[in-house]
Amino acid sequence: TQLLEQSPQFLSIQEGENLTVYCNSSSVFSSLQWYRQEPGEGPVLLVTVVTGGEVKKLKRLTFQFGDARKDSSLHITAAQPGDTGLYLCAGVISNFGNEKLTFGTGTRLTIIP
Amino acid sequence: DAGITQSPRHKVTETGTPVTLRCHQTENHRYMYWYRQDPGHGLRLIHYSYGVKDTDKGEVSDGYSVSRSKTEDFLLTLESATSSQTSVYFCAGRGLNGNTIYFGEGSWLTVV
Repeated sequence: TQLLEQSPQFLSIQEGENLTVYCNSSSVFSSLQWYRQEPGEGPVLLVTVVTGGEVKKLKRLTFQFGDARKDSSLHITAAQPGDTGLYLCAGVISNFGNEKLTFGTGTRLTIIP
Repeated sequence: DAGITQSPRHKVTETGTPVTLRCHQTENHRYMYWYRQDPGHGLRLIHYSYGVKDTDKGEVSDGYSVSRSKTEDFLLTLESATSSQTSVYFCAGRGLNGNTIYFGEGSWLTVV
């Protein structure tokens, strides 16, 4: 059972365009993280959002956590070729002091120069 | 540098043979994780550890076992490798009070 669904699964756009990637679940998470993964490497954390409705910005990337803490979005403004990669969202569930991370299916983003 | 090293990085093995993947960390992470990554499935948790000799199952633990005899090392064993276990395996670690998970570079396993 995949708790987190990401859309779109693949996205290819021209340099300079804007885009939004979505991460949706029926589960409530204590926090949600976004990662970027380059080919041949492990995922690298971009941001953690904790509070429902929270918005965080990382240069041209804007991350939002849904009010009910079940979903999140990643918006990229004026995309650049360096943004190309696999973007993964991950929901954190805390259980008796232990935390588990459940990853989404991923969005493979390609920015065309 | 996440301080997490996986070995081997690439391995081809035959069906039915046991395989052990090693994860070594130098950051004193308390929590350690083994994930597998497959197209269309993202990263799925196999097993995790919340301390030395304390481990628990993830969502896809069948056919896998783990051991953590010291903080630095977390081993993943495929007891009898099958073709369905062909995948990329990632080890990850997290500190006691941190929310950042650091990943290793991955181990590519092919079972023929």
